[in-house]
Amino acid sequence: AQTVTQSQPEMSVQEAETVTLSCTYDTSESDYYLFWYKQPPSRQMILVIRQEAYKQQNATENRFSVNFQKAAKSFSLKISDSQLGDAAMYFCALDSNYQLIWGAGTKLIIKP
Amino acid sequence: DGGITQSPKYLFRKEGQNVTLSCEQNLNHDAMYWYRQDPGQGLRLIYYSQIVNDFQKGDIAEGYSVSREKKESFPLTVTSAQKNPTAFYLCASSIAPDQNRETQYFGPGTRLLVL
Repeated sequence: AQTVTQSQPEMSVQEAETVTLSCTYDTSESDYYLFWYKQPPSRQMILVIRQEAYKQQNATENRFSVNFQKAAKSFSLKISDSQLGDAAMYFCALDSNYQLIWGAGTKLIIKP
Repeated sequence: DGGITQSPKYLFRKEGQNVTLSCEQNLNHDAMYWYRQDPGQGLRLIYYSQIVNDFQKGDIAEGYSVSREKKESFPLTVTSAQKNPTAFYLCASSIAPDQNRETQYFGPGTRLLVL
């Protein structure tokens, strides 16, 4: 069975500093996609970043980047220069047969 | 503007009542999805549809039903058989399910509460 695990229920970071959110997964497929979604207090789910497993280069989107370790089945999200607007729940998701398998989420708190 | 709309924002259900949650998209996406979100948990798939007039059960389909008569619309009915319906419901869509795992885009959600 395919699974996604986020071991940090909550993380906090000082504004302007860097934070890393962890995600591990398990799949028997060799070609798959991984996603990080953000859910702010409005509860609208917003795509942060996407990684294709066959690409060795880590995806980046402005202040957001991933550390994708395929052999270790690890997919962490790094947020640089944290801003108050980054406060949200962050979910890691794995594509599987055109569905998404979701982690339980990490609540990110930004300290001003 | 293109996007996904869900209505209502809040919905109250009485015992034994069926209620329907609306989801509409104008993104011309083929695939649509319904998820349930409970506190402290990730999203769980209820139903998904890859094409008009076709849909498949997800992991927690019991007590729910859907229809896909139009490309733009994918309503979800929570039936009286669903004994614990209180949750946040999210609708999503993607361009096509068979094209390299396209990104799913989400609506703003509906909060369902039982009276």
